[in-house]
Amino acid sequence: SAVISQKPSRDICQRGTSLTIQCQVDSQVTMMFWYRQQPGQSLTLIATANQGSEATYESGFVIDKFPISRPNLTFSTLTVSNLSPEDSSIYLCSVKPSGGNQPQHFGDGTRLSIL
Amino acid sequence: RKEVEQDPGPFNVPEGATVAFNCTYSNSASQSFFWYRQDCRKEPKLLMSVYSSGNEDGRFTAQLNRASQYISLLIRDSKLSDSATYLCAAGLGGQKLVFGTGTRLLVSP
Repeated sequence: SAVISQKPSRDICQRGTSLTIQCQVDSQVTMMFWYRQQPGQSLTLIATANQGSEATYESGFVIDKFPISRPNLTFSTLTVSNLSPEDSSIYLCSVKPSGGNQPQHFGDGTRLSIL
Repeated sequence: RKEVEQDPGPFNVPEGATVAFNCTYSNSASQSFFWYRQDCRKEPKLLMSVYSSGNEDGRFTAQLNRASQYISLLIRDSKLSDSATYLCAAGLGGQKLVFGTGTRLLVSP
């Protein structure tokens, strides 16, 4: 399966600041996703990162708060803007190879804490 | 109704026990099914795909029941190291997967 590198692995940020998380894949993948998992909760899909166009956001998530870039088929970034304590969570990048019924694979995640 | 539903548990079982989890999906057009394992504070990792005819991988057996729209995971001879959260996922061909909320398993000595 694809090797997914996610940076940073963890960070502690001040309220009101922003954090950008990077996701690098070692092969071209059709689909890349960003998830959030709050402590003790299940995975929540934030958005699908589309190569060369605006991301597709799920209900409850907006571009102003979670801007996403995907300049090519191997790289994406998620920015969490105007941080508040409610943004403390694990953020996970996930990829799905092209072709049929392939599983998704996840990066190691970014653990974010807000002071 | 959620697209993919699981009993959150926890399931508390002794070592050596057999335990089974079910997961129901609402979209009858779903074509692909998977079980993932997530350890505490780690990312989900693919455990196994679920095939129409059922499939086995060591102590783990996965089955699909299209008529009733559920998939199952059976773990035989439970080990302490099997303690984790098990997530099921269903997808439509080339589309994103929909994940359940996970079932927590605790295997005790």
